[in-house]
Amino acid sequence: KNEVEQSPQNLTAQEGEFITINCSYSVGISALHWLQQHPGGGIVSLFMLSSGKKKHGRLIATINIQEKHSSLHITASHPRDSAVYICASTGNQFYFGTGTSLTVIP
Amino acid sequence: AAGVIQSPRHLIKEKRETATLKCYPIPRHDTVYWYQQGPGQDPQFLISFYEKMQSDKGSIPDRFSAQQFSDYHSELNMSSLELGDSALYFCASSPGTYGNTIYFGEGSWLTVV
Repeated sequence: KNEVEQSPQNLTAQEGEFITINCSYSVGISALHWLQQHPGGGIVSLFMLSSGKKKHGRLIATINIQEKHSSLHITASHPRDSAVYICASTGNQFYFGTGTSLTVIP
Repeated sequence: AAGVIQSPRHLIKEKRETATLKCYPIPRHDTVYWYQQGPGQDPQFLISFYEKMQSDKGSIPDRFSAQQFSDYHSELNMSSLELGDSALYFCASSPGTYGNTIYFGEGSWLTVV
C-alpha cells in the first residue's frame, strides 16, 4: 500500500479548463510537496505546504491536515502545463505519490 | 541563484562496472537526498544525509553506498552495476530536514549496457 495516493492517474484536458489533482496521505507529515516533472526532465518543486493554501500564478495548492488531503489546482490550463504532477509527503521519510500524468490539448 | 548541481549529467557503464555520481547542494543546505527513477517509474527514495550523517535510508541496494562530505557535497557509489540500475538519479537538497522546501537537481542519467 502506497502511503500517498493520487488521483486521477491520467488526465486529459482542453486548453483553458480548470484542473484539479488530489492527494491523500496516510502517514503523519511535517509538510507536503507538489512536484512537476516534464517528459525527460528533472523534478521541479512547485509548492511545500504544511497548512492552508498557497498560490503561484495559475497554480493553487491546498491542504487539509485533519482530513490528510491536498489538492493542486491549475486555472486556465495551457499545453505547457502538460507534465507529471507528483505529491510527496515528508515526515520521517519521503513518500512519493504515484503521479498524475496531465495532457492539455490546444 | 545557485541550484543543486549534479555530475555527470550522463554516464554509460558496462555491467559489473562501478559508477560514482556527485551532488553539490545549494550553499548552506545541510541535507541531501538521493532518488532513483527508472524509465516510466516513480522516483524511489534511496538515502539522505543531514550534517554529514546518514539520516534516512530507503530502497538503496547493498551494492550502493553514499556519503556526505565536509563541504556538504554527496557522492553515490554504485558497484557491480546491473542492467536494472539504468535510471535517472536525482539529488535534492534542503536547509535542515523536515518541513523545508526541497530543491532538486536536474539528475544524472545512468545507462548500464
